[in-house]
This record gives sequence, structure tokens and C-alpha cells, in this order.
Amino acid sequence: GENVEQHPSTLSVQEGDSAVIKCTYSDSASNYFPWYKQELGKRPQLIIDIRSNVGEKKDQRIAVTLNKTAKHFSLHITETQPEDSAVYFCAATPPLYQGGKLIFGQGTELSVKP
Amino acid sequence: DTEVTQTPKHLVMGMTNKKSLKCEQHMGHRAMYWYKQKAKKPPELMFVYSYEKLSINESVPSRFSPECPNSSLLNLHLHALQPEDSALYLCASSPQGLQGRHSNQPQHFGDGTRLSIL
Repeated sequence: GENVEQHPSTLSVQEGDSAVIKCTYSDSASNYFPWYKQELGKRPQLIIDIRSNVGEKKDQRIAVTLNKTAKHFSLHITETQPEDSAVYFCAATPPLYQGGKLIFGQGTELSVKP
Repeated sequence: DTEVTQTPKHLVMGMTNKKSLKCEQHMGHRAMYWYKQKAKKPPELMFVYSYEKLSINESVPSRFSPECPNSSLLNLHLHALQPEDSALYLCASSPQGLQGRHSNQPQHFGDGTRLSIL
């Protein structure tokens, strides 16, 4: 079955710096890769996603890149702000005929210091 | 504003109690999910309903019993829980069911029910 590794587990940056979180997956058939942000005591919130037919996607300060050959994808946050502090989870999704379940990474706790 | 509504927000119960968690969405989504989440860990999938039918049970103990009365509602009935079942229980929904589809859709989470077992 699919397995997702996420690094680093914790990340501390200064306000205004960039942050990068990396994930690798094992099942080459996985075709959908969402990223969730979870603030303390709140729900996981979908912040960006990418499908396997796309190499990069941007939404303002957030971007995701996907390298299908290497089976890894990354979240890039530019000009970080204190409100970006949260736990970030990547996920990979095998095709629906294999169950269609979200397989999460272990999470990255991002701290943005003012 | 979250479009997936869960009640109650907090629940404290004894090991012999029976209670239910409720989840509601009005986005017309046809897949609904229950997850369990411990602090700073990823959500763990428990159950998936697709077109109101149970399609995935991740070997969850029978003290957790899901129910999908209609396409907008999802319940989780709790009975004889253990202290280790204390966690945040999240409901999620996604637009399409899991039958005959090859395109995955985003899952949207509710705010969860924080459950404490005494």
C-alpha cells in the first residue's frame, strides 16, 4: 500500500523567510496530492492540492511542486507570517479503484517567529 | 466558515455511557468520512460512506458504530469506549463517491468533536 514520508517534523523560520516542506510517496499510481494546514485546536484546512498531470501549482504565497519520476512533492511558502504557524500535513491518494483513501504524512510543525 | 458541521464540539463520557457524534453537510457531497486524530498526529481514517453505503471500515472496534441516515448526515455511535479512545473525531466530505470513479476529489473537514473518556 501507499506510504508517505514527510520532512522535516519541525521547522522554525523568521518572519519573511521562505519555508519548504517535502514529502515522498511510494505508490507510483497515486494521482492526487493535497496539503492541509491545521492550527492548534482547529480542523485540517485544505490549502492547496496538485494532480499527477501537473508539475507545479501556485496560489499567492503558497506553491506546490510534484516530481512524479522521483515520487516526491513539496510545499513552498514565501514571505512567511506568524499566522502561517501551524502543523502542515501532506497526503497522497491512490486511484479510487485502490480505495481512494488519503494517506497522510506525519506532519510538520511550522513556527514563524516575528 | 466550515461547510461541514459537527456536534457536539466537546464530549465527556464514562466508559459505560452511550453517546453519538453527528456530522452534517449540505454541499451535495456523496462521500463522507470519519477520522480519529491524536494531538499533532495525522488523522487516521475510520470509516468511509459512499452514496450512503459503508464502503471502507478500517478494522475499527465494534464499540464505534457508524450510520448514514441520508446523503447529508453521518453519525458515529459510541458505546463502552476506553480511555485510549479520547481524541479529536473529525468528519469530512468530498464531492464524489468512490464507485466507478478515477478522479480523486478534495476532502473538506469539519471542526471535530473533542472526546474525553473518563
